[in-house]
Amino acid sequence: AQKITQTQPGMFVQEKEAVTLDCTYDTSDQSYGLFWYKQPSSGEMIFLIYQGSYDEQNATEGRYSLNFQKARKSANLVISASQLGDSAMYFCAMRGIISNFGNEKLTFGTGTRLTIIP
Amino acid sequence: EPEVTQTPSHQVTQMGQEVILRCVPISNHLYFYWYRQILGQKVEFLVSFYNNEISEKSEIFDDQFSVERPDGSNFTLKIRSTKLEDSAMYFCASSEYPGQGDLNYGYTFGSGTRLTVV
Repeated sequence: AQKITQTQPGMFVQEKEAVTLDCTYDTSDQSYGLFWYKQPSSGEMIFLIYQGSYDEQNATEGRYSLNFQKARKSANLVISASQLGDSAMYFCAMRGIISNFGNEKLTFGTGTRLTIIP
Repeated sequence: EPEVTQTPSHQVTQMGQEVILRCVPISNHLYFYWYRQILGQKVEFLVSFYNNEISEKSEIFDDQFSVERPDGSNFTLKIRSTKLEDSAMYFCASSEYPGQGDLNYGYTFGSGTRLTVV
């Protein structure tokens, strides 16, 4: 079974500062993928960044980077130079190894509500 | 960029009524999913679908739920007799056929259908 833990229910950050959203995971799979999604108040799920368990480099997508520490089983999202539009709910999610076409689902954490203060 | 399209965006239904939520996955994707998010809670997996059959379902996906791919483009979730606790945001997602070592597969969510049961 896979588990995602996000320990920060809410965060307030000053505009233009960097912010780190924590995510730890637990899995017995040798191969897995980690995702971050942004959910604004309108409700849609916006894909931000992906990290494969065998990727040696930390993933980066524009202002988003993923601080992947495999030994610690953590996959923290870093947002540089935060903007007012970054205010949203952020979910960490995991997908395990494909086996018998039965394990393609994503397991989500409980999310962190990020509020950017002007 | 290809999108997963969900209709309707909002639906209000009376308790006990049947509802059908509709999704058009990305055209070259082969895996289809439904997820549910009760207001303020985390996103939960309901069911995955591949090769015209269910590949995995969660304990939430009981006999009241069914999925169908009635033609080459639509993917539907039917709730047979809605209950108040079915009120939630329902997300459809699709992904490509999994390759070796790459677990991203263009996993894409639709913008969701907000179901309210009264």
